[in-house]
Amino acid sequence: GENVEQHPSTLSVQEGDSAVIKCTYSDSASNYFPWYKQELGKRPQLIIDIRSNVGEKKDQRIAVTLNKTAKHFSLHITETQPEDSAVYFCAASRGNTGFQKLVFGTGTRLLVSP
Amino acid sequence: EPEVTQTPSHQVTQMGQEVILRCVPISNHLYFYWYRQILGQKVEFLVSFYNNEISEKSEIFDDQFSVERPDGSNFTLKIRSTKLEDSAMYFCASNRDGLSGNTIYFGEGSWLTVV
Repeated sequence: GENVEQHPSTLSVQEGDSAVIKCTYSDSASNYFPWYKQELGKRPQLIIDIRSNVGEKKDQRIAVTLNKTAKHFSLHITETQPEDSAVYFCAASRGNTGFQKLVFGTGTRLLVSP
Repeated sequence: EPEVTQTPSHQVTQMGQEVILRCVPISNHLYFYWYRQILGQKVEFLVSFYNNEISEKSEIFDDQFSVERPDGSNFTLKIRSTKLEDSAMYFCASNRDGLSGNTIYFGEGSWLTVV
């Protein structure tokens, strides 16, 4: 089955710096890659996603890149702010079987210091 | 914005007791899921449900677990005889269809503590 690796497990940056979180996946049939932000005790919230027919997607300060050949995808946050501090999870799924089963990475705790 | 709602938000139960966690998926959604997150760990898939039957289940979802859609709105997860290791946050989720990229919406979670 699918396996998703995520690095780093923790990331500390200064406000205004960029943060990059990387994930690799094992199932070449995976075709959907969302990123979730989770604050303590809260639900995972989708912040950006990318499909396998696209190499890059950007939404204001957040961008995701996908390299299908290497089977890895990355989250880029620019101009980080203290409110970006949270745990970020990548996930992968293949939605061609009639439903989506998300396989999550192990999470990255991002701490943005003012 | 429509939301997936879950009850209870927190439940404490004794080992061996039965627990039912309830979810109301978004009204026009057709695919329902339960995920689990042990404290400090990643979110793990438990089960998916479509058209009144289980589509797929993980190794975690053993005979102690069951799901049901008892009416047109609720989706429940039952744990028959809870174990200490069942302590976790349980998230219900739903999406409109199974197409790749269709956003999955998560509920706020039910925190289960087994003592």
